[in-house]
Amino acid sequence: NAGVTQTPKFQVLKTGQSMTLQCAQDMNHEYMSWYRQDPGMGLRLIHYSVGAGITDQGEVPNGYNVSRSTTEDFPLRLLSAAPSQTSVYFCASSYSSAGGRYGAFFGQGTRLTVV
Amino acid sequence: DAKTTQPNSMESNEEEPVHLPCNHSTISGTDYIHWYRQLPSQGPEYVIHGLTSNVNNRMASLAIAEDRKSSTLILHRATLRDAAVYYCILRRPIQGAQKLVFGQGTRLTINP
Repeated sequence: NAGVTQTPKFQVLKTGQSMTLQCAQDMNHEYMSWYRQDPGMGLRLIHYSVGAGITDQGEVPNGYNVSRSTTEDFPLRLLSAAPSQTSVYFCASSYSSAGGRYGAFFGQGTRLTVV
Repeated sequence: DAKTTQPNSMESNEEEPVHLPCNHSTISGTDYIHWYRQLPSQGPEYVIHGLTSNVNNRMASLAIAEDRKSSTLILHRATLRDAAVYYCILRRPIQGAQKLVFGQGTRLTINP
C-alpha cells in the first residue's frame, strides 16, 4: 500500500515551458486535491476532484489545468510556467464520506522551480 | 468557512507534555475539528479530529471546550520527532476532505 505517490520529487523549468505533475493513489479514494505551499505559508488549494470525470477550481487555479480520467490518477498541468509558480506542490486524497470524520492523505510533494 | 486562530510558534522540552491551542469562535454546531501536522520537507499528516467530546489516539489527545469555541491538541510526551507545524482546521460535515483550508499553523520547536 503506497498511499499517495507524487512524481517527480524535484523539477526545474524554464519560463514558458509546460509540464505535468503526476499524482497517483492506491486507496480507492474518491476525492483528490492539489495544493501549493509557498515559503512560510500554509497550503492553498489549486484544484480538486470528487470523482472520475469531475473537477473543480480551488483558491488559486490560474495557470493550472487538471483532469481525472481514473479514480487512481489526478495529474496537474502547468501550461506555461511562470516564476510565480515556483512552489512545493502537494497532492492529497480522501474518502468521500460525509460527516467530516475522515482525514486526507498527502503525498511527499514536488518541489518546482521556474527560472 | 469558519476561521481558526493559532499561535505562530511554541517551544517545549523533550519528554514534557505540549498543549497546542486553537481558537474557533465562529464554529458552527456541525463542524468537525481536525488537526494535521507537517514535518520538515514532508506533506501534512492527519493527527486527530473531534466533534464535541475529547478524543484520544496513539499520536495525541484532543480536548474540546464545552462551548466548542476552542480546542487544544495535547502531545503527552514530546519527542524531537514531534517538531513540526501543526494546523487546526474546521471541516463541514457535508464536505469530504478535498477542500481543506490551511492557516499559518503553529510551529512547534522541541528542545533536547
